[in-house]
Order: sequence, then C-alpha cells, then structure tokens
Amino acid sequence: QKEVEQDPGPLSVPEGAIVSLNCTYSNSAFQYFMWYRQYSRKGPELLMYTYSSGNKEDGRFTAQVDKSSKYISLFIRDSQPSDSATYLCAMSAGNTDKLIFGTGTRLQVFP
Amino acid sequence: GAGVSQTPSNKVTEKGKYVELRCDPISGHTALYWYRQSLGQGPEFLIYFQGTGAADDSGLPNDRFFAVRPEGSVSTLKIQRTERGDSAVYLCASSLGGTVQETQYFGPGTRLLVL
Repeated sequence: QKEVEQDPGPLSVPEGAIVSLNCTYSNSAFQYFMWYRQYSRKGPELLMYTYSSGNKEDGRFTAQVDKSSKYISLFIRDSQPSDSATYLCAMSAGNTDKLIFGTGTRLQVFP
Repeated sequence: GAGVSQTPSNKVTEKGKYVELRCDPISGHTALYWYRQSLGQGPEFLIYFQGTGAADDSGLPNDRFFAVRPEGSVSTLKIQRTERGDSAVYLCASSLGGTVQETQYFGPGTRLLVL
C-alpha cells in the first residue's frame, strides 16, 4: 500500500463547477500538507500549504486537512478552463524535508 | 527573476550508457532537490542537498545513481549503466533555506528515454 493515495482521474467538469480533489494517507506522522498544480510538460507549482488540521482559503482555492481521518481535500470554486492540469497532493512529517507525493489527479474543465 | 533551469530538456540514450543531468537552482537558494516522475505518477524523492552536502539521499534507487553539488549552486545527477526502467522525467527543485515550510520551486524537468 502506498503512503499517499490519490485517484488519478481524469475528472471532467464544466466551467463554473466546484471541484473536489482528495488524498488519503497512512502515515500519522505527516504534519505538513501541500497541493501542487502541474501543467503538461511543466514542473509542479505550489498552490496551497497547510500545517496540521484545519482549513485554509486562498481566492478560489480551499484546502482542508482532517488528520483524524487521514484525509485531505482541495476545493476549487468557479472552475475555469485554465485550471485544467494535474493536481498533486504532497505531505511531509516535518522532521525531514522529503515530500511524499500522490499520483496526481488530472482535471479537465471544459467551456 | 529566473526560475530553476534544467538541461538538457530531453535526453535519449542507449541501455548501458552514462548520462548527466544538470540543474541550475534559483540564485541564493541553499536547498536543492532531485525527484523522478514516471508516467502517470507523482514525483518521487531522490536526494536533497543543503549547500554542498547531501542531507538526505535515501531516495536514490541504487548505486548507479549519484548526484553532486560541488559549489553549493549547480547540481548534476549522474546515472551509470542506464536501464530502460530509468526512463522518466527528472525534476529538480530549490528552496531558500530547506525547511519543509518553504516553497520548493520546480524546474521543467529533463525527459530521459533509455532505449
């Protein structure tokens, strides 16, 4: 079993929809949680960073962490075609700098 | 300012050959990371440098893989006796100080194909 599980998709939604992306994990030591966006043939770029449990909002993006369930989510409101990309969750225990990534979910937002 | 750059962008080699992949981090960033991303997978950690030294090389798959950062800036990932299974995108990232809370900035990657 992988430490971080993520549905690879693809997920196809119409423009304006609310998108929910999720990851589950098995290592209870994880404390730092990130979401990265990766466009085709580009490197990942950091979208959201959360420490421990709770919610964090940045514009159209909301990240949620539920450590009791070992479950994290990224919500995208009013999705745009430019949001079409692969979304990767990543986690770290914090005592090292090693990030453990999920497989990524491919999102397609159609006009 | 300039981001993380990687050269070459694409590399095709034959099984058994030696390859070198180069990473130029953002100026002033002390931490540098190498990842490998296979098709349909997320990046997999290989090695992390803090300055000139390898702080964590636990992700290197075997002794055919080696990385250096002699002056604390540019880094080279070296793969000996390449195998077809080494085919992947090799990503480099850098961050200012290296703590996990700091943003890692990724380069576009080097696409390695071993025939």
